[in-house]
Amino acid sequence: GESVGLHLPTLSVQEGDNSIINCAYSNSASDYFIWYKQESGKGPQFIIDIRSNMDKRQGQRVTVLLNKTVKHLSLQIAATQPGDSAVYFCAENPSTGANNLFFGTGTRLTVIP
Amino acid sequence: EPEVTQTPSHQVTQMGQEVILRCVPISNHLYFYWYRQILGQKVEFLVSFYNNEISEKSEIFDDQFSVERPDGSNFTLKIRSTKLEDSAMYFCASSDYSYSGYGYTFGSGTRLTVV
Repeated sequence: GESVGLHLPTLSVQEGDNSIINCAYSNSASDYFIWYKQESGKGPQFIIDIRSNMDKRQGQRVTVLLNKTVKHLSLQIAATQPGDSAVYFCAENPSTGANNLFFGTGTRLTVIP
Repeated sequence: EPEVTQTPSHQVTQMGQEVILRCVPISNHLYFYWYRQILGQKVEFLVSFYNNEISEKSEIFDDQFSVERPDGSNFTLKIRSTKLEDSAMYFCASSDYSYSGYGYTFGSGTRLTVV
């Protein structure tokens, strides 16, 4: 039968503005988090990661913030460019000794030139 | 830059048929994974594989699914009798021993369509 897709949260920003994408994770025991970017027809692409002993980590044009108290993760993209348009997923490692990841539902970012 | 390679990029099969999806992980990686993504939904973990055996699997990975590393380079996912609801993108991933996201790399996926 036909599957109904989830309604992805969307975010539209003007080129050059900063973007903030949010994610709520489920498992308070998770100790490792990753942000992925997924362009249409492609696999998830690593952007930045953070371990639970940190609350902020910066990369090139990207910053990840972790708030363990409320189980919240955010991705900040500075000076957003048209090439940043994609679906962004957060993923958590549940710290069970395995390396499998649990993904969030994703946010579609559209950059308006 | 090393990459995970998946073949075919698109597979169409009839319901009830067996399919094998193929992956070539990054050569020095030791952990291998399959994930799937139903159209418009989130990426879901299926199975992880280390040291020639399954280390973790999800509820989705039932008896219809199996994985194999038949040689030193390939990693395969077999679905014995496909169902319509198996239609999805299937992603292979691999990671190195010192697990970090930067070393956790996904392939471009195989789109499986069951008709």
